[in-house]
Amino acid sequence: GAGVSQSPSNKVTEKGKDVELRCDPISGHTALYWYRQSLGQGLEFLIYFQGNSAPDKSGLPSDRFSAERTGGSVSTLTIQRTQQEDSAVYLCASTPRGRDRRYFGPGTRLTVL
Amino acid sequence: GESVGLHLPTLSVQEGDNSIINCAYSNSASDYFIWYKQESGKGPQFIIDIRSNMDKRQGQRVTVLLNKTVKHLSLQIAATQPGDSAVYFCAENGGSQGNLIFGKGTKLSVKP
Repeated sequence: GAGVSQSPSNKVTEKGKDVELRCDPISGHTALYWYRQSLGQGLEFLIYFQGNSAPDKSGLPSDRFSAERTGGSVSTLTIQRTQQEDSAVYLCASTPRGRDRRYFGPGTRLTVL
Repeated sequence: GESVGLHLPTLSVQEGDNSIINCAYSNSASDYFIWYKQESGKGPQFIIDIRSNMDKRQGQRVTVLLNKTVKHLSLQIAATQPGDSAVYFCAENGGSQGNLIFGKGTKLSVKP
C-alpha cells in the first residue's frame, strides 16, 4: 500500500519568506508526527497529532513554527519568516492507533538562503 | 534527563562480516525500543523493535538484544552487505506509549 508522502521533496527559499510543507499520512493512521533533522544529526521532535485531541506542540522551536492537520489526515507544517538555521530535512511520520512504530515519509529538504 | 546515545558514531565493516551497533539509554521506564535505518536522502525505515519483556528478538539477518540491567540495546546484522550501509538510529519510548526519543545515529559503512 501507499506509504507516507511528503511534498515538496526539496524547497529552496530566501530568508524571511514563509514556507509550507505537506504530509499525507498512511490512510487510517490516527497519529501524525513532524520531526526535524539537521545535517548529520538525529531526529528532533516538533509536533504530534493524535486523532481529535489537541496537538502536542512541545517540540516547536519558536512561534514561527505551526502545524495543522485537517480532517484527521493531511498535515501542513508552516514556517514563517524563515531563518538560515531552519535549513534541515523535515520528516513526517504516522502511526496506527495504539501502536508505537512510526512510518516515515521521505522528508522535505528545506534550504534557506 | 532522558537521553538515548550511541557508543560509536561510525562503524566500518567488511562485507560478509557481522556488524554490531550499540545504544545506551537512560530512562529505566522505557518499555519499547526500536531501530531504524536511514539511507542517504531517504526517510528512516523500520528494522526491528523489542519490548522490555523480551531480551532478544530476531528478524531477517538482524537481531536486537536488550539488557535492561545496564540499559543497553544492540543491533546485530549478520553477513553485512553493501546495501546495509546507512545511518542506524535507536529510539526508546520513555515509558510513554506514543513517545519516541531518538539517538543521534551510527553510520555503518560496508567495505566490499
